Amino acid sequence: EVQLDQSGPYVKKPGESLKISCKSSGYIYTSYWIGWVRQMPGKGLEWMGIIYPEDFDTRYSPSFQGQVTISVDRSINTAYLQWSSLKASDTAIYYCATRPRGWGYFDNWGQGTRVTVSS
Amino acid sequence: EIVMTQSPATLSVSPGERATLSCGASQSAGTNLAWYQQKPGQAPRLLISGASKRATGIPARFSGSGSGTEFTLTISSLQSEDSAVYYCQQYYQWPPAWTFGQGTKVEIK
Repeated sequence: EVQLDQSGPYVKKPGESLKISCKSSGYIYTSYWIGWVRQMPGKGLEWMGIIYPEDFDTRYSPSFQGQVTISVDRSINTAYLQWSSLKASDTAIYYCATRPRGWGYFDNWGQGTRVTVSS
Repeated sequence: EIVMTQSPATLSVSPGERATLSCGASQSAGTNLAWYQQKPGQAPRLLISGASKRATGIPARFSGSGSGTEFTLTISSLQSEDSAVYYCQQYYQWPPAWTFGQGTKVEIK
């Protein structure tokens, strides 16, 4: 059974850095891309980016390019989403999810990481 | 960017009745369209991919149809546990610029 276990929750101040994680189990780690999706309070879903653990190929939504960094540590089957300087507008729930190779939908989801940025 | 527009914003349906949700794309997405269900406090769950293929374990009362710019999710006989927000997502482009609709909230009347 595919499982994605996310870290958190987090409460941070504006300007602070943060790295959240998504640990995968139950499948061959390099067979799926891992994606990140944002959900701001009371709002819908926004695709942020994806990474392929096999070769570290990383693609970002134009809306999030330069705002976040997606990475992966294959040795521990864990993907990361990080910010160098948080803003109040980064307050949201962040989901990781698996994307089957060759397709663009997300078939398995983590439980979500709540990030609150407030002074 | 392909803009996805869902209608209606809220749908109130009696148990056992049919619910029909619409999703429109600003340009053709082929059949590269997925539907997700999200219940309060939970992560989204994949219902449909390829516009019409049910994901593993999804009840047969959920069906998807459409191609190009017009898509539909139908719940043939609404159950109380189907109360949720439903999102469509297009994944037509590579390099990816995938987008979600704004969601349709299904309420039990």
